[in-house]
Amino acid sequence: RKEVEQDPGPFNVPEGATVAFNCTYSNSASQSFFWYRQDCRKEPKLLMSVYSSGNEDGRFTAQLNRASQYISLLIRDSKLSDSATYLCVVVSNTGKLIFGQGTTLQVKP
Amino acid sequence: DTGVSQNPRHKITKRGQNVTFRCDPISEHNRLYWYRQTLGQGPEFLTYFQNEAQLEKSRLLSDRFSAERPKGSFSTLEIQRTEQGDSAMYLCASSSPGRENTEAFFGQGTRLTVV
Repeated sequence: RKEVEQDPGPFNVPEGATVAFNCTYSNSASQSFFWYRQDCRKEPKLLMSVYSSGNEDGRFTAQLNRASQYISLLIRDSKLSDSATYLCVVVSNTGKLIFGQGTTLQVKP
Repeated sequence: DTGVSQNPRHKITKRGQNVTFRCDPISEHNRLYWYRQTLGQGPEFLTYFQNEAQLEKSRLLSDRFSAERPKGSFSTLEIQRTEQGDSAMYLCASSSPGRENTEAFFGQGTRLTVV
């Protein structure tokens, strides 16, 4: 079993749609959690941190469920510019950053 | 530019040759990570350092791969006797843990092609 698992997609959605990505992790001692965004042939960049209480940044909402070892990202009112790969990242108790496979989103006009 | 810097950006080498990549992290960051990424996959962990100490190395890595961070600043990743399967993007990231949920910043990567 992979340490961090994501549905690779692709998710093809129309502009304005709401889309949700999920991620599960295997190490219950994991400490920190992030969503990164990666554009084609570019390096990953932080989208947002994920907190147990849930957090929102504009159209983006991240949730963490430690009991179920599950992380989610919700994107509302999708824009064409949201098309990218979204990477779930878990920081282990040893400080190692572990990436999921990534979920590809394609927003169409 | 005070971001993470990687050199070279591109490297084409013949199978069997050795290659070395360099990463200069953000200056105050004490953690440095190396990852490998192939098309359609997420970054795969290779190794990471805290200051000059190599804390963990992936069991997936063969003995042909070695990384150093001699003074706790820049790092090098060497691949000996390259194989075609080593062709990938090699990414370096740095972070400064100590604050809750500290993010890692990535360099633009070194794209290796083994022919």
